[in-house]
Amino acid sequence: GAVVSQHPSWVICKSGTSVKIECRSLDFQATTMFWYRQFPKQSLMLMATSNEGSKATYEQGVEKDKFLINHASLTLSTLTVTSAHPEDSSFYICSPILPSYEQYFGPGTRLTVT
Amino acid sequence: QKEVEQNSGPLSVPEGAIASLNCTYSDRGSQSFFWYRQYSGKSPELIMFIYSNGDKEDGRFTAQLNKASQYVSLLIRDSQPSDSATYLCAPGPRPGRRALTFGSGTRLQVQP
Repeated sequence: GAVVSQHPSWVICKSGTSVKIECRSLDFQATTMFWYRQFPKQSLMLMATSNEGSKATYEQGVEKDKFLINHASLTLSTLTVTSAHPEDSSFYICSPILPSYEQYFGPGTRLTVT
Repeated sequence: QKEVEQNSGPLSVPEGAIASLNCTYSDRGSQSFFWYRQYSGKSPELIMFIYSNGDKEDGRFTAQLNKASQYVSLLIRDSQPSDSATYLCAPGPRPGRRALTFGSGTRLQVQP
């Protein structure tokens, strides 16, 4: 499968601060990256689609000004949670579009906002 | 109606038994399906992909797709405690929608 890394793997931050999550594709170039989040005991939900060199598209109900996505290169997409609140505590996972049909996921970043 | 429905479980089977996980879907246009396994605290890992009616086998795993009944299943033979995880199914990408929509997942517990 594709090699995708995320950093950090877990982070604890205080309410009101911002957190940046990086997603890197290590062995291929990803023109498009999906960002999912998963709340405890729930399934993954798509948050946004990030496209290299253009603006991300967000799913309904996801605040684009709160979850800033930057896809400046073919190997790096970042998600910044701005002014984080406890309800943003979740597991954030990136997934690149590959030329093949399969879809793989990064290892995830667990965010806890206190 | 949800796009993908799974029984949340837990499904408990003894070690060595066959575990049967089921998934129904609403979109008749769905042509393919993924099965992912997710261990607690980890991200999903792809275990099976099926796009044809019938069975597809890979080691101890067999995926079964019945497009007429809009039903896809995953059988795990000789279940091991290490198979204990949540199993997620998702229709494959389609034109205009490459992202996956997951079922809620079925938690499998394999008892030693």
